[in-house]
Amino acid sequence: GDSVTQMEGPVTLSEEAFLTINCTYTATGYPSLFWYVQYPGEGLQLLLKATKADDKGSNKGFEATYRKETTSFHLEKGSVQVSDSAVYFCALGGFRGAQKLVFGQGTRLTINP
Amino acid sequence: ETGVTQSPTHLIKTRGQQVTLRCSSQSGHNTVSWYQQALGQGPQFIFQYYREEENGRGNFPPRFSGLQFPNYSSELNVNALELDDSALYLCASSVWGVGTGELFFGEGSRLTVL
Repeated sequence: GDSVTQMEGPVTLSEEAFLTINCTYTATGYPSLFWYVQYPGEGLQLLLKATKADDKGSNKGFEATYRKETTSFHLEKGSVQVSDSAVYFCALGGFRGAQKLVFGQGTRLTINP
Repeated sequence: ETGVTQSPTHLIKTRGQQVTLRCSSQSGHNTVSWYQQALGQGPQFIFQYYREEENGRGNFPPRFSGLQFPNYSSELNVNALELDDSALYLCASSVWGVGTGELFFGEGSRLTVL
């Protein structure tokens, strides 16, 4: 079945460091890919998305490129801030007309000043 | 624009009891989905409601049931609670057939089963 595998956490970085969180997926068909973020005490928020191969989603300095050949959607940010500390979830969905999302297990990111 | 709201935010039940969680969808949205997020895990799809009918269900037993009302709000009911039902229950809303599968989530209801 469809699945998402994320790089295991937790991840701890210093402020202004470069961030990569790996995400690979298995799916039949051509899903849309998403990164959601969950800040402490809050619900899931969409961070960025890409709907087809080679699309790049971007928001708040974060980027991810839909790589069909490697079935990957890695999240990157050039310079992280303390406020980026949160749990990040990779997800796939939006295919075959359904609106169900399949999530990875999440990666907890902590940024130290 | 009003976002997705859920109630209650926290609740504690004992094994064997029943619980009802409520969700109001975002303004303009007609589809509601429910997810279960166990501690340290990603959300797992329970089911989705559109036009007051269940439309898609994940790998959850029948004791998990739901309703959608004419105003698009929704309830999640869980009967015969088990310890493993302890989790954050997330409601998400969207517009059926529009967009690329993006969902808008509430802050969740945290259920503890003792």
